[in-house]
Amino acid sequence: GESVGLHLPTLSVQEGDNSIINCAYSNSASDYFIWYKQESGKGPQFIIDIRSNMDKRQGQRVTVLLNKTVKHLSLQIAATQPGDSAVYFCAEPDAGNNRKLIWGLGTSLAVNP
Amino acid sequence: NAGVTQTPKFRILKIGQSMTLQCTQDMNHNYMYWYRQDPGMGLKLIYYSVGAGITDKGEVPNGYNVSRSTTEDFPLRLELAAPSQTSVYFCASWMRETQYFGPGTRLLVL
Repeated sequence: GESVGLHLPTLSVQEGDNSIINCAYSNSASDYFIWYKQESGKGPQFIIDIRSNMDKRQGQRVTVLLNKTVKHLSLQIAATQPGDSAVYFCAEPDAGNNRKLIWGLGTSLAVNP
Repeated sequence: NAGVTQTPKFRILKIGQSMTLQCTQDMNHNYMYWYRQDPGMGLKLIYYSVGAGITDKGEVPNGYNVSRSTTEDFPLRLELAAPSQTSVYFCASWMRETQYFGPGTRLLVL
């Protein structure tokens, strides 16, 4: 499954499938980008980040891809599990203050058993 | 470490009442933040602090006040609660390009 945009779309996938969540960012000079996961009733939790000098970074079952040409970021989750059901946010540092983050609206991922 | 803690977890206020949302972190982080999150929406920055004694406005500061007397504590004050302030409030602290969030305070203003 694939989701595009920053208007809190919902992505529904079957357990075991791969998920792709997309994000468009605004500042081509951002040094890094972060993905957060927010489970229902909880605060956002850091998943993975990527520096602007990288195209790809892998974690445990997650991969983030960065395409600076089109200012696009994606989060790929392999073998999606029910525990992956959450809202996923991308974030980038504020151009004027890199200790502030600019947040995307998020994508809601629903994993069907 | 307990990380970032917030109290209360849930509160109902009447219009015009005041309250303080508490936030404490035990990681000795200088940067702290308050966000609000409306249902189905992303995070909006209310206020942030770069260290004890220093605070600054975010994108939606109206109706709120903050103080930072110690590194650990960053309380958020609502003086005259309005229905528009019904939201979930998250406190966060910063280290190594990552924000660490508390569990949130759910506020309902009726």
